[in-house]
Amino acid sequence: AQKVTQAQTEISVVEKEDVTLDCVYETRDTTYYLFWYKQPPSGELVFLIRRNSFDEQNEISGRYSWNFQKSTSSFNFTITASQVVDSAVYFCALREAAGNKLTFGGGTRVLVKP
Amino acid sequence: GAGVSQSPSNKVTEKGKDVELRCDPISGHTALYWYRQSLGQGLEFLIYFQGNSAPDKSGLPSDRFSAERTGGSVSTLTIQRTQQEDSAVYLCASSLEGANGELFFGEGSRLTVL
Repeated sequence: AQKVTQAQTEISVVEKEDVTLDCVYETRDTTYYLFWYKQPPSGELVFLIRRNSFDEQNEISGRYSWNFQKSTSSFNFTITASQVVDSAVYFCALREAAGNKLTFGGGTRVLVKP
Repeated sequence: GAGVSQSPSNKVTEKGKDVELRCDPISGHTALYWYRQSLGQGLEFLIYFQGNSAPDKSGLPSDRFSAERTGGSVSTLTIQRTQQEDSAVYLCASSLEGANGELFFGEGSRLTVL
C-alpha cells in the first residue's frame, strides 16, 4: 500500500529564512510519481512539481528546490529566502503507475512572519 | 472560467438530509477525482473516473456516498442521510492523463452538517 508521511505539521519562520519541508513515502511499485502541491489560505491547491521515480535529478525553480533521494524514499522541498506569500499548507503526494489515486501526506503548514 | 468549477461553495444542512455537490472539470480532461479534506487534515481520496472505464470507488467511506459522471464531463457527488462527521471540504480535480498527469483542483465545496 502507498503511504506519504510529512512529519512536520507546522513550521514558523521569519521572512528571508530558508525552510525545508520533509516528505517520506512508501510504495512497492518501481514506477511511481511524486508531487508537491501548495494550498494557500484561499483553499485551492496549486501544483508545484512532479517527479517520476526514474529521475533523481534535483530541481530548482526560482526560490524553490526539490531533493529526491530514492535510497531514503524522500522527496524534500526547500523554500529559499522565504516570503510572507509563501505562507500556506504544502502537501506531498504519491501516485503509483499501476493505480489511479494520488495519495497525499498530512500536509505541513508554513507560516512566514514579516 | 477555464478551471475546475465546483458548486455550491458552501452548504449547510441538517443531519439526515441528502446533499449533492457538483463538479465541472476542465474541458477535455478525461480523469476526474473527488477528495475530502476535513478541518486541518490532509486529503482523503474518495473516487476516480477515467473516460468510459468503471470508476474506482475504493475511497468512498460508506454506502451513503455515491458519485456519477454524466457524458464524461460533469460529476455529482451525493451524500445520503448526512452525518456530522461528513462535515468537510469536498475537493474535485481533473487531469488530462492517467497515472502521471498533473491534477487541477477546484476551490472545493465546504459542507457543514448540523
